[in-house]
Amino acid sequence: DGGITQSPKYLFRKEGQNVTLSCEQNLNHDAMYWYRQDPGQGLRLIYYSQIVNDFQKGDIAEGYSVSREKKESFPLTVTSAQKNPTAFYLCASSIVRTDYGYTFGSGTRLTVV
Amino acid sequence: GQQLNQSPQSMFIQEGEDVSMNCTSSSIFNTWLWYKQEPGEGPVLLIALYKAGELTSNGRLTAQFGITRKDSFLNISASIPSDVGIYFCAGPLDTGRRALTFGSGTRLQVQP
Repeated sequence: DGGITQSPKYLFRKEGQNVTLSCEQNLNHDAMYWYRQDPGQGLRLIYYSQIVNDFQKGDIAEGYSVSREKKESFPLTVTSAQKNPTAFYLCASSIVRTDYGYTFGSGTRLTVV
Repeated sequence: GQQLNQSPQSMFIQEGEDVSMNCTSSSIFNTWLWYKQEPGEGPVLLIALYKAGELTSNGRLTAQFGITRKDSFLNISASIPSDVGIYFCAGPLDTGRRALTFGSGTRLQVQP
């Protein structure tokens, strides 16, 4: 079955360490996205990519980095420069030039201690 | 800042009741989408709206694209316990950026 997989589900890291969140899709979607969700808040866009080897900053890109070397993969690195990294991170994908019907992964909950 | 305002922020209702929630913006949207998120999961698309005035149903859910293109409404009829979750409105801001902006969500709890 086609889908989008985020791993791991839960991640704990010490303050000051970089950490990379995985996102893989086998839906043959061109576009991929990373959102951050904090309690009581909506989803805020971190980065997005519409094509391999190209990506754009979203509203809260500071302290994060991404790469898009393969169509299927869009990993997110949370760097030590991110002031408050503890959050629920959601990855999504969609077919470019359609109705924005994103398919979301089940998320990674990152806790920095 | 937040471009989409959802209300109410939360609702606690009895099973069988109807539910209404809405989403407003100071900006015009050409597409409105409604998603549902269950605890610990990613959001799932419920309904997509593409034209001002459009009314679309998906089972017990009905959503409308406001005439002004600055608002949208979601109604759930005869609620059941599995309707529990967070409901988000979303849309693409007309900035040339091909990514969705999400509202802050309406948290729904249903008492059996």
